[in-house]
Amino acid sequence: EAGVAQSPRYKIIEKRQSVAFWCNPISGHATLYWYQQILGQGPKLLIQFQNNGVVDDSQLPKDRFSAERLKGVDSTLKIQPAKLEDSAVYLCASSLEGYNQPQHFGDGTRLSIL
Amino acid sequence: GDSVTQMEGPVTLSEEAFLTINCTYTATGYPSLFWYVQYPGEGLQLLLKATKADDKGSNKGFEATYRKETTSFHLEKGSVQVSDSAVYFCALTHAARQLTFGSGTQLTVLP
Repeated sequence: EAGVAQSPRYKIIEKRQSVAFWCNPISGHATLYWYQQILGQGPKLLIQFQNNGVVDDSQLPKDRFSAERLKGVDSTLKIQPAKLEDSAVYLCASSLEGYNQPQHFGDGTRLSIL
Repeated sequence: GDSVTQMEGPVTLSEEAFLTINCTYTATGYPSLFWYVQYPGEGLQLLLKATKADDKGSNKGFEATYRKETTSFHLEKGSVQVSDSAVYFCALTHAARQLTFGSGTQLTVLP
């Protein structure tokens, strides 16, 4: 089966610019996650969707980050305006609905802020 | 809140050496426990999991046992290969919610 697809793989922008990342989950996976992975750390959840509804966005910096999953399939994460501390790898993951379902990760988007 | 603590790296071993990466957790109730592996430039791949106390997860020669009494889930492999060089993450989750990750352990295996 095709895995989780993310684009772009790399992005370099200047601070205060905006940027968007795209994720297409594995077909049939109702749950979609966006994680932020800062260099040398484990990934931290930004937002979790169940179909097109938000389950948890408690750690999303809502003053600058937004995410949507309008049709319950692919998703977009946006940062506007970007800060230096947003430099990280942004990982998308998806899973089947239900308890103990493993999360499958994409290769991520590496964002560098100049 | 939930947290995961992993042994600090990096870890450097010779090929065919025995590997242990320690992982302990703090959580309420009965979380599910996971080990993920991340190869350079790639996303995380599920290596193994355990969903209840005393369960042993295993895959590709790696093993980990869910120890409720010591809140631990140490990763072991009897004979590592150069191809095992990667970053290993211990993680936990409750029900169908987010994964809480440790900080990762870099493993380098030398030929």
